[in-house]
Amino acid sequence: GAGVSQSPRYKVAKRGQDVALRCDPISGHVSLFWYQQALGQGPEFLTYFQNEAQLDKSGLPSDRFFAERPEGSVSTLKIQRTQQEDSAVYLCASSSRGTNTEAFFGQGTRLTVV
Amino acid sequence: AQSVAQPEDQVNVAEGNPLTVKCTYSVSGNPYLFWYVQYPNRGLQFLLKYITGDNLVKGSYGFEAEFNKSQTSFHLKKPSALVSDSALYFCAVSSGDKLTFGTGTRLAVRP
Repeated sequence: GAGVSQSPRYKVAKRGQDVALRCDPISGHVSLFWYQQALGQGPEFLTYFQNEAQLDKSGLPSDRFFAERPEGSVSTLKIQRTQQEDSAVYLCASSSRGTNTEAFFGQGTRLTVV
Repeated sequence: AQSVAQPEDQVNVAEGNPLTVKCTYSVSGNPYLFWYVQYPNRGLQFLLKYITGDNLVKGSYGFEAEFNKSQTSFHLKKPSALVSDSALYFCAVSSGDKLTFGTGTRLAVRP
């Protein structure tokens, strides 16, 4: 595709609900990243894939957060039993080789937990 | 651990004047340094990067940044600001894996 596509753009979840956020990276991009951006803050790293392999998940804040990229293309970030502190914009980025090349970001999914 | 500091929450400048947005970093090993810009309701857009080579890096929309190893800085600059440059700017550092972002600096260019 022309850019990184994320869906949905906006999601409102009741506390305790499970949510799934989708990312379609740029075609052919090997690396895929998820970031969490709280209001007024910079993006915080969550996890990193190279093809289908999840190489780094050190930024996932709890075991309620899970990410997958089973075929090395589309990725899904799942949050179980959402809490109010999970409210943030979730950004997906892809790059051709890793982070010594520029990453291209999607517009993000704004999650609001009520 | 790697980190980035952007000491100014906001920078105000008049259109046509030069602008500087400050960034300092901390990383073990050789740094890969980036600047991104974020417009309202839009994703982060890449501006420029430093990997190796010349300390002055030129990027999109007339922006440039100067890498200073001794001061561990990577300040963003533009000789003549435009009102349309008003946005949120993020500095980021990588040591080859994930990007670590600063907290951002809001640039406001007044006509």
